[in-house]
Amino acid sequence: EPEVTQTPSHQVTQMGQEVILRCVPISNHLYFYWYRQILGQKVEFLVSFYNNEISEKSEIFDDQFSVERPDGSNFTLKIRSTKLEDSAMYFCASSTDRDQPQHFGDGTRLSIL
Amino acid sequence: AQTVTQSQPEMSVQEAETVTLSCTYDTSESDYYLFWYKQPPSRQMILVIRQEAYKQQNATENRFSVNFQKAAKSFSLKISDSQLGDAAMYFCAYRRQGGKLIFGQGTELSVKP
Repeated sequence: EPEVTQTPSHQVTQMGQEVILRCVPISNHLYFYWYRQILGQKVEFLVSFYNNEISEKSEIFDDQFSVERPDGSNFTLKIRSTKLEDSAMYFCASSTDRDQPQHFGDGTRLSIL
Repeated sequence: AQTVTQSQPEMSVQEAETVTLSCTYDTSESDYYLFWYKQPPSRQMILVIRQEAYKQQNATENRFSVNFQKAAKSFSLKISDSQLGDAAMYFCAYRRQGGKLIFGQGTELSVKP
């Protein structure tokens, strides 16, 4: 069964550095999402992306964050000037259309030191 | 704003027994989707079951079934014949048409042999 793939599985970064989290959505999916889960808390929506532009974003998704689909397969989340509170599990998800279930990757654990 | 509430932080069930996890939500929308996701210790997010609000029939997937009460805005998950592999965090989630997933706080399910 096709899967959403996320790399790396664990990223350790110094505070203030930039980090890029990578995702390869399922190949025929057109809608892409990023969510994050701070340890012990619920999963929170960050951003959705369709047709090469952001379709919705949360208040968490401020100027520190950006997303990009640089080629036909990858979907990236960039976090600039990382802060300690950015430490979380980041999940990528994709769906065939906006009303179909979102399939999640295994997540990237981001640790900011 | 839509909200999802899971009032049971932890639940426990004996292997082979049945357990029900509760979820309530708040929305003014009439068309929406509800989901249960499972998150084992590996931290993946796995779709367990989904329900379309316009369908009166409760969704079932093998040992998993839901009790969807639209008027009461209640969406509980029943797990029959519980297995050790069912131990995980379970998240209830809501999504309006074309929208983001909104998650509850989660219920940690333990299965006793």
